[in-house]
Amino acid sequence: AQKITQTQPGMFVQEKEAVTLDCTYDTSDQSYGLFWYKQPSSGEMIFLIYQGSYDEQNATEGRYSLNFQKARKSANLVISASQLGDSAMYFCAMRGAGSARQLTFGSGTQLTVLP
Amino acid sequence: ETGVTQTPRHLVMGMTNKKSLKCEQHLGHNAMYWYKQSAKKPLELMFVYNFKEQTENNSVPSRFSPECPNSSHLFLHLHTLQPEDSALYLCASSQRLAGILETQYFGPGTRLLVL
Repeated sequence: AQKITQTQPGMFVQEKEAVTLDCTYDTSDQSYGLFWYKQPSSGEMIFLIYQGSYDEQNATEGRYSLNFQKARKSANLVISASQLGDSAMYFCAMRGAGSARQLTFGSGTQLTVLP
Repeated sequence: ETGVTQTPRHLVMGMTNKKSLKCEQHLGHNAMYWYKQSAKKPLELMFVYNFKEQTENNSVPSRFSPECPNSSHLFLHLHTLQPEDSALYLCASSQRLAGILETQYFGPGTRLLVL
């Protein structure tokens, strides 16, 4: 079974500062993918970034980077230079290569960017 | 239209009504999904269709009936719903056989209120 844990129900960050959203995972699969999605209040889930378990380099996509620490089973999302439009719910998810090929989501972190 | 679209965006229905949610993907994907997102709960996968065939039904009550006439369209037929079925219903699509980094792209969701 796969499990994603996001321990921060809510986070606040000042505009233009960086913020790290935590995500830990548990899986017995040797190969797996890790994903981050953003959900604004409008409801749409927006794909942000992904990382394969075999990647040694952290994934980056614009202001988003994924701090992947395989030994600690963590896949934290780092948002640099926060903007007011970054205020949203953020979900960490994973997919294994075994029988559980569907996405497993965490409970989410509500990020609020303060002006 | 681009990406994944869903209609209607908002729906209010009585417990005796019958309604349908529609999802259309314009990404050329071959898999489509229905998720339910209730307040303060993680995303719940409801149904999965691969190449128009239903491959997963996560113990969803029979008052929810999915239909996938082709790989671009997905419907969720609703009848005799309960107030606890009020939630955000999200549709997603992906390209199967893309490995562990197979990415799901979501629509904007339908906010359903059952009175």
